[in-house]
Amino acid sequence: QSALTQPASVSGSPGQSITISCTGTSNDVGGYNRVSWYQQRPGKAPKLMIYDVSNRPSGVSNRFSGSKSGNTASLTISGLQAEDEADYYCTSYTSSNTRVFGGGTKLTVL
Amino acid sequence: EVQLVESGGGLVQPGGSLRLSCAASGSTFRTSTMSWVRQAPGKGLEWVSSISGSAGSTNYAASVRGRFTISRDSSKDTLYLQMSSLRAEDTAVYYCTDYGDYRSPYVWGQGTLVTVSS
Repeated sequence: QSALTQPASVSGSPGQSITISCTGTSNDVGGYNRVSWYQQRPGKAPKLMIYDVSNRPSGVSNRFSGSKSGNTASLTISGLQAEDEADYYCTSYTSSNTRVFGGGTKLTVL
Repeated sequence: EVQLVESGGGLVQPGGSLRLSCAASGSTFRTSTMSWVRQAPGKGLEWVSSISGSAGSTNYAASVRGRFTISRDSSKDTLYLQMSSLRAEDTAVYYCTDYGDYRSPYVWGQGTLVTVSS
């Protein structure tokens, strides 16, 4: 199972919106509404930000939103804040009853 | 909310074995799917294995299938990962996770470092 494809890095200025893409196949992203997104700050464990494509766990800011079209999922962060600077990972359930992660995207807030 | 504490990491020689443990506190352990996710130094996340709440279903990444075994003891609220035939590429921080009410890892432990080296 190959890793999902994410851009290595994205950047934006405070207040702006950014979108991180996550491309897979019909055997994972495209085949199931089970894409999740995680935020990981240096030295910390990942934090679930979005699950089942577009749902936010309790306590996660509504500035974070998720969507999917075909084999590509996307995470959008609006009203960018300095505290959003972190690594972001997508993950999807797969047809093999396993889970696959993307390579990660480093978000820099300028 | 469940809290997870991993233990058992350390330095092991190639070809050796190690058992990781994850002690859980909270009410969801006995019903939630749990998993192990690892992260090699400076690299991304890699899903390793998962086990259903009933322990009736286990799944493994191709990279560890046949070498690693996941299990859980509900009487002890503990998740395990038995690792054998370890390779240098298994070197990573191993995180224990609990899915809770979500269909994805939600609660994460602090991680335990496994280093495979001679």
